[in-house]
Amino acid sequence: GAVVSQHPSRVICKSGTSVKIECRSLDFQATTMFWYRQFPKQSLMLMATSNEGSKATYEQGVEKDKFLINHASLTLSTLTVTSAHPEDSSFYICSARRSGARSEQFFGPGTRLTVL
Amino acid sequence: QKEVEQNSGPLSVPEGAIASLNCTYSDRGSQSFFWYRQYSGKSPELIMSIYSNGDKEDGRFTAQLNKASQYVSLLIRDSQPSDSATYLCAVATTSGTYKYIFGTGTRLKVLA
Repeated sequence: GAVVSQHPSRVICKSGTSVKIECRSLDFQATTMFWYRQFPKQSLMLMATSNEGSKATYEQGVEKDKFLINHASLTLSTLTVTSAHPEDSSFYICSARRSGARSEQFFGPGTRLTVL
Repeated sequence: QKEVEQNSGPLSVPEGAIASLNCTYSDRGSQSFFWYRQYSGKSPELIMSIYSNGDKEDGRFTAQLNKASQYVSLLIRDSQPSDSATYLCAVATTSGTYKYIFGTGTRLKVLA
């Protein structure tokens, strides 16, 4: 159990376009989903936390109008990178967590975004 | 002061040896601790969670927690080359939005 999928796994786009990444919990209901970004040889950086049916909570320095997060159901969250630029090229990873004080986060396989 | 600290490594151990990975955290009220493994180019994979002082064993892995010293460690017995990866320590927050604070990770190299 505790499988999280992401789609697409890899995307290449032109500068100025928008890219949507989907994160799904396949075998459990995820009350909370998290979006991370990781640049090469750097640590994970939390971008935002989203609870089903609520607005996402963004970390300091993350532009909420650029990185749109929707958590419309207990199994699906989406991250849309709007007007992507080359500096947005990174590895985007989602994770999901059940409700409960001791429930763990399970990560999706990640999406590698390259903006030309 | 960083909230979760790990030595970046690399930590090199010979095959078959015990690898010891350490993590310290600053929030004395923390209750939930996690170890993740991340292979290069891949996403993190949960190895173990630990919530109580003492040891917790799962196969070749043992997590150790000492809340008084604000210290959590991961021991890998009979290390294999396939264990070569970056190991991330994570601590759940105790106030505000629930999230994990990750350390920067320790890179482990197991030499065949």
